Amino acid sequence: KAGVTQTPRYLIKTRGQQVTLSCSPISGHRSVSWYQQTPGQGLQFLFEYFSETQRNKGNFPGRFSGRQFSNSRSEMNVSTLELGDSALYLCASSSGGGGSPLHFGNGTRLTVT
Amino acid sequence: AQSVSQHNHHVILSEAASLELGCNYSYGGTVNLFWYVQYPGQHLQLLLKYFSGDPLVKGIKGFEAEFIKSKFSFNLRKPSVQWSDTAEYFCAVQNAGGTSYGKLTFGQGTILTVHP
Repeated sequence: KAGVTQTPRYLIKTRGQQVTLSCSPISGHRSVSWYQQTPGQGLQFLFEYFSETQRNKGNFPGRFSGRQFSNSRSEMNVSTLELGDSALYLCASSSGGGGSPLHFGNGTRLTVT
Repeated sequence: AQSVSQHNHHVILSEAASLELGCNYSYGGTVNLFWYVQYPGQHLQLLLKYFSGDPLVKGIKGFEAEFIKSKFSFNLRKPSVQWSDTAEYFCAVQNAGGTSYGKLTFGQGTILTVHP
């Protein structure tokens, strides 16, 4: 079974730009979660989607948004990029039931200059 | 709000030494508990999980963890580490009730370095 696939692996953007990251979950998984990982803050939850609906949201500004498609693939968008948005963005998929273990992708490394 | 504290930022051991990584969480309700591992250059992988039942859970590669409810702890152990256990280890907590779908609260991680 193929794992969680995130594209692209690396991105370099300039302040003020916007960026879209993509995540393909494990086949059969209907839940996709997004996390931001930084050396200072560690892993922080952004949001979770299930069957194209956002079910849960972390404490990030509205510049961070996401969506999920009918095939469970998900995208995350960050608008008006700031230097502090530089991070590793991780996507995780699960079956979606309460307590279902998360399966993580390799992440997208975003650098904002 | 939930929080997770991992006691050590960096642990250095020699092969065959015993390992215990501490994890404490703050949350008054029922929780699901996880340990994840990130080997160099690889993605986060689930090591083991606790939902209910026997508080001593066994995971992959000889790891185990014990849930002590009274201490709000979920410490990870391995009797004899190998060089290949060199990795970063993350403890994570999830609210077992409510609507915590997909949301794990992670500790800051512990880097384990094992010298051959």
